[in-house]
Amino acid sequence: QSVLTQPPSVSGAPGQRVTISCTGSSSIIGAGYDVNWYQHFPGAAPKLLIFRNNIRPSGVPDRFSGSKSGASASLAITGLQAEDEADYYCQSYDSSRSAVVFGGGTKVTVL
Amino acid sequence: EVQLVESGGGLIQPGGSLRLSCEASGFTVSSTYMSWVRQAPGKGLEWVSVVYGGGSTDHADSVKGRFTISRDNSKNTLYLQMNSLRAEDTAVYYCARTKPIPGDQYYMDVWGKGTTVTVSS
Repeated sequence: QSVLTQPPSVSGAPGQRVTISCTGSSSIIGAGYDVNWYQHFPGAAPKLLIFRNNIRPSGVPDRFSGSKSGASASLAITGLQAEDEADYYCQSYDSSRSAVVFGGGTKVTVL
Repeated sequence: EVQLVESGGGLIQPGGSLRLSCEASGFTVSSTYMSWVRQAPGKGLEWVSVVYGGGSTDHADSVKGRFTISRDNSKNTLYLQMNSLRAEDTAVYYCARTKPIPGDQYYMDVWGKGTTVTVSS
């Protein structure tokens, strides 16, 4: 069981907005550590989508946005497209274990 | 172009050893942190190990004492030496260029496509 909790799946129609939550304990997100987000297509290399809570690397569409508040973070995808159908993971740092931690992953389905 | 290519995966019996390699191009492994992350079948991503810029390392509790991360600056290559392998180590192993963030934390900005390790008799 992951120390960062994500919903197993979310879905939306093309053009809609979906959000993925990522909840951690007081030693993780609540302790002030940044949250990073990755997009992963099966069989491919994971891709950095958002770093330091809300910064998009060059080349990532502005349809993707991140936010953080208290012990939780969120990834929002606006204007959902068929090509967004993938697994999404949040990642942070657990000071109690001195270790990087990932969420369990959320599968996004475009209806 | 920044690229990472993993190799060395395969089928290995429980208790055996394997060394994974990750050849980097477009940047030097000694100039940044480097990590290994794995994904077991049907599971999510799990951080395994990190080597910091100065060469010190950290490993997840699940592999501590069995796995060792290292790098060869002359070959611009990252390694993961895996000993005493168990069935639960079966996974796709990814190497990733890793960027530090203030506060002893970091994120992975470039990933390889992974190499598959299967531990089974």
